Amino acid sequence: SQTIHQWPATLVQPVGSPLSLECTVEGTSNPNLYWYRQAAGRGLQLLFYSVGIGQISSEVPQNLSASRPQDRQFILSSKKLLLSDSGFYLCAWIGGTHNKKTYEQYFGPGTRLTVT
Amino acid sequence: GENVGLHLPTLSVQEGDNSIINCAYSNSASDYFIWYKQESGKGPQFIIDIRSNMDKRQGQRVTVLLNKTVKHLSLQIAATQPGDSAVYFCAETMDSGYSTLTFGKGTMLLVSP
Repeated sequence: SQTIHQWPATLVQPVGSPLSLECTVEGTSNPNLYWYRQAAGRGLQLLFYSVGIGQISSEVPQNLSASRPQDRQFILSSKKLLLSDSGFYLCAWIGGTHNKKTYEQYFGPGTRLTVT
Repeated sequence: GENVGLHLPTLSVQEGDNSIINCAYSNSASDYFIWYKQESGKGPQFIIDIRSNMDKRQGQRVTVLLNKTVKHLSLQIAATQPGDSAVYFCAETMDSGYSTLTFGKGTMLLVSP
């Protein structure tokens, strides 16, 4: 079966500090990977998506960046966090060798980030 | 992308009632819709999906209805249970193949025992 992991689960960081959130998928190969941010009581905002190693598409210009160093690893980073970066960050995957549905995205457990 | 919005931010029902959560979309080119359930502090979970060439699709205790004439999507939950309490999101995509999803703002469903 396929699983998706995110860590850390929660994070409290001061303004101006760097950020690194990691997402990994198991049980499939060559998935599409997505990073979303969700503000409290709001919907999901797509930040980045990747269709393969080293391929990153940015949906929203901001001080965040994403990288995909390995097929099943997706990293969200920032050099200097802003207060507005606080939120619930979700990673999702779709497709790959074990998922014939091309639209259904599977979400990870999320990382709660608080910037102080 | 186009906006996908929800009419009701909060819906309160009694246990055993049927619940209906609505969603309006503005892009008639959307060809696939999904409903997700998100419990507090967790990632969204897939509930049910429907393609634009269908009007209705049923799952276990859930039914999704699609009205393309008025660009309206609804999720019906039969015999609502306290465990159904969560935020429900609709999402739409316009592209074929692997694609990005545009999510609505969400509706909070509160089920009282």
